[in-house]
Amino acid sequence: EAGVAQSPRYKIIEKRQSVAFWCNPISGHATLYWYQQILGQGPKLLIQFQNNGVVDDSQLPKDRFSAERLKGVDSTLKIQPAKLEDSAVYLCASSRIAGGGGEQFFGPGTRLTVL
Amino acid sequence: KQEVTQIPAALSVPEGENLVLNCSFTDSAIYNLQWFRQDPGKGLTSLLLIQSSQREQTSGRLNASLDKSSGRSTLYIAASQPGDSATYLCAAPSGSARQLTFGSGTQLTVLP
Repeated sequence: EAGVAQSPRYKIIEKRQSVAFWCNPISGHATLYWYQQILGQGPKLLIQFQNNGVVDDSQLPKDRFSAERLKGVDSTLKIQPAKLEDSAVYLCASSRIAGGGGEQFFGPGTRLTVL
Repeated sequence: KQEVTQIPAALSVPEGENLVLNCSFTDSAIYNLQWFRQDPGKGLTSLLLIQSSQREQTSGRLNASLDKSSGRSTLYIAASQPGDSATYLCAAPSGSARQLTFGSGTQLTVLP
């Protein structure tokens, strides 16, 4: 069974530029998560999708971050415009169970550096 | 709001030693608790998931326990090896959407 795929693996941009990350979850997994992990900290949930609907986006900075899950499968996370404090690793995870609480499987992450 | 704490932040042990990593959480009404491993520059690898009805879960040299009443979980690693060197994170779901709240992790170094 293929794992969670993410691209790109690394991205360097200047502040005020825009960037997009892509995630392909494990086939058949209903729930998809995006996390932000700042160096030295645990991941922080940004947004949770169940199929193609948003379950929780309370910690997503909606003035600059947006996300969508196309047809309940792939997902993209966009930042526009980026700030220096957005430098972090962005992790995508998926879970077979709908509604959260199931075992989560993570992708390799995208390391974003904002200069 | 769930808060998860992991102490110590870093741990260094000689190869072959048995060790325990600690995780505490504030909201005992958890659905389950999950332990992860993270290697430098990599994503998280799920190690063990303990359901709220279980007291422990084992996988190879790893044993995780859960005590909901005291708000604690431990990860026991037997006969540690240099390949066990990584950051270990615990996470507990909370809220109606059962989103995971992570600790900051324990960075483990096993010296050969």
